[in-house]
Amino acid sequence: ETGVTQSPTHLIKTRGQQVTLRCSSQSGHNTVSWYQQALGQGPQFIFQYYREEENGRGNFPPRFSGLQFPNYSSELNVNALELDDSALYLCASSENGGQSWETQYFGPGTRLLVL
Amino acid sequence: AQTVTQSQPEMSVQEAETVTLSCTYDTSESDYYLFWYKQPPSRQMILVIRQEAYKQQNATENRFSVNFQKAAKSFSLKISDSQLGDAAMYFCAYRHSGNKLVFGAGTILRVKS
Repeated sequence: ETGVTQSPTHLIKTRGQQVTLRCSSQSGHNTVSWYQQALGQGPQFIFQYYREEENGRGNFPPRFSGLQFPNYSSELNVNALELDDSALYLCASSENGGQSWETQYFGPGTRLLVL
Repeated sequence: AQTVTQSQPEMSVQEAETVTLSCTYDTSESDYYLFWYKQPPSRQMILVIRQEAYKQQNATENRFSVNFQKAAKSFSLKISDSQLGDAAMYFCAYRHSGNKLVFGAGTILRVKS
């Protein structure tokens, strides 16, 4: 069974640029959630995708957007990068539409630094 | 809005001893789920243990157990026979319905040999 993978592992961008982060969900999982973890803090929910549709969104501006593909892999796109976007971005997959009782399995994250 | 509070930024334990990490949460819901996740320096978040709010019995997974006090909205994690590999950041998390996990700020656990 393949776990959740994310790419790239590290990324450096400058303010105003755009970035795309990628996530491959665990085999058999159809739901992907994205979280932002600032240094020294707990993860904050960005949004979730279920069967290629957005299925809930946290308190993040529209410049944070996403996609989910037919194979259930996902992308997180951030436009007009700001310094405060520097964080660890985690994706998590689950197998049943993100039901409240489900366990979410996390990837290793992408560390984004905005200069 | 639901919130999760971890009041201990950092804890230390001697190898083979027991340590308890604290977590409180705020919710008006009666049916929800609570989780403890471990995040080692490798960054990968790993589920340690989960508790269903409707269950009175405290969850146990090998050396890890919880003390779930629903009325007090408290959910502490006890690690017995601590091992060097237990050193990590531990996050308490809450989930009611739908999709998002609400995390606390985390507790760094250091294990001394």
